[in-house]
Amino acid sequence: SFELKQPPAVSVSPGQTARIPCSADALSDQYSYWYQQKPGQAPVLLIYRDSERASDIPARFSGSSSGTTVTLTISEVQAEDEADYYCQSVAKSGVYVFGPGTRVTVL
Amino acid sequence: QVQLQQWGAGLLKPSETLSLTCGVNGGSFSDYYWTWIRQPPGKGLEWIGEMHQSGSSRYNPSLGSRVTISLDTYGRRSSLTLASVTAADTAMYYCARGGVWFEGFDSWGQGILVTVSS
Repeated sequence: SFELKQPPAVSVSPGQTARIPCSADALSDQYSYWYQQKPGQAPVLLIYRDSERASDIPARFSGSSSGTTVTLTISEVQAEDEADYYCQSVAKSGVYVFGPGTRVTVL
Repeated sequence: QVQLQQWGAGLLKPSETLSLTCGVNGGSFSDYYWTWIRQPPGKGLEWIGEMHQSGSSRYNPSLGSRVTISLDTYGRRSSLTLASVTAADTAMYYCARGGVWFEGFDSWGQGILVTVSS
């Protein structure tokens, strides 16, 4: 089955850069999407189609793709960026699939 | 600016039927697939299914035939029905929209916590 893999946690100091990878076999055949979820809130779309920033998303959030890995990069991390981040893609069956999520901690 | 507002019962007993509704305020109704996604406590997101006003629908096979999504086009509402619930169906349930030319789930409801307990 189509599974997306993410590291469970990433820690970063304020002002530094956080990179969150998401990988899967055949991920290069589909677009990927990224969501941010803060405690008690619904997810928010950050990135669509690998690298396009969603409306009103700060420029410090960016997405990239290389082979079977996509990466969310958060530049100049701020305390407010502490959250869970989920990648999402589409299986060949058409089922939308989410990764297990990565908790970003700002030290 | 679109807003999605959800309502429905939050406490069910095993074998009962989950029923949630999502009202859509603003934006186009016809340009989107109206989607349901759930998140068990402390866990990740799971796509349940989607429907377009044309009648086109898709569901996550993991839920089998228990799930049905329906639309009230004139009332601009999406509804989720999940039959024969068990404790494993305990989760936060979100409605969301995804474009016909999918560009991610760009708007979400506030979520409703549904607990299944005897």
